[in-house]
Amino acid sequence: SQKIEQNSEALNIQEGKTATLTCNYTNYSPAYLQWYRQDPGRGPVFLLLIRENEKEKRKERLKVTFDTTLKQSLFHITASQPADSATYLCALGTGRRALTFGSGTRLQVQP
Amino acid sequence: GAVVSQHPSRVICKSGTSVKIECRSLDFQATTMFWYRQFPKQSLMLMATSNEGSKATYEQGVEKDKFLINHASLTLSTLTVTSAHPEDSSFYICSARITGRASWDTQYFGPGTRLTVL
Repeated sequence: SQKIEQNSEALNIQEGKTATLTCNYTNYSPAYLQWYRQDPGRGPVFLLLIRENEKEKRKERLKVTFDTTLKQSLFHITASQPADSATYLCALGTGRRALTFGSGTRLQVQP
Repeated sequence: GAVVSQHPSRVICKSGTSVKIECRSLDFQATTMFWYRQFPKQSLMLMATSNEGSKATYEQGVEKDKFLINHASLTLSTLTVTSAHPEDSSFYICSARITGRASWDTQYFGPGTRLTVL
């Protein structure tokens, strides 16, 4: 069955460092992959989309890589700030169907 | 940017009652909206796909008679939890795609509705 794995343990880093979150998937051939931010009690907020034929995408302090051979995406936040503390979800999609979400990784940036 | 609203944001109800949750696209038209459910510390699980003017498509294991979805206009979809029970307590989130946009793969999410059934 399709499976999306994100590290369920919280990631704690120091302010200013680079946070790297991992999303692995199996039994899936996504056309695109997205990363979302979710704060407690709120809906997800779209951050970045990367397509299967793209290796890397950047947006300000965010960078996403997509390796369809390894079936893995890495999400980087450079120069992290306490305000970046949240749960980050990866989601895979094919065509016009709904997204399939991972369970998310909680990031805590210490001042 | 595209904004999706949900109402109410929180609802507490007694077991056996029905609860209606509204999902609105405020500044765009959405032919397709999605309803998700999220339990604490878990992933968003798709419940159903709502298409304007037609019947919703439910995911396996989701009871269509219990979770009634109506997508009567291009800006409004409603989810009614009928005869709610404590196990229906969850965080319900809707999302919408912009009709006709080239970036059809981007979904915009509502802020969610916290349902607590006593």
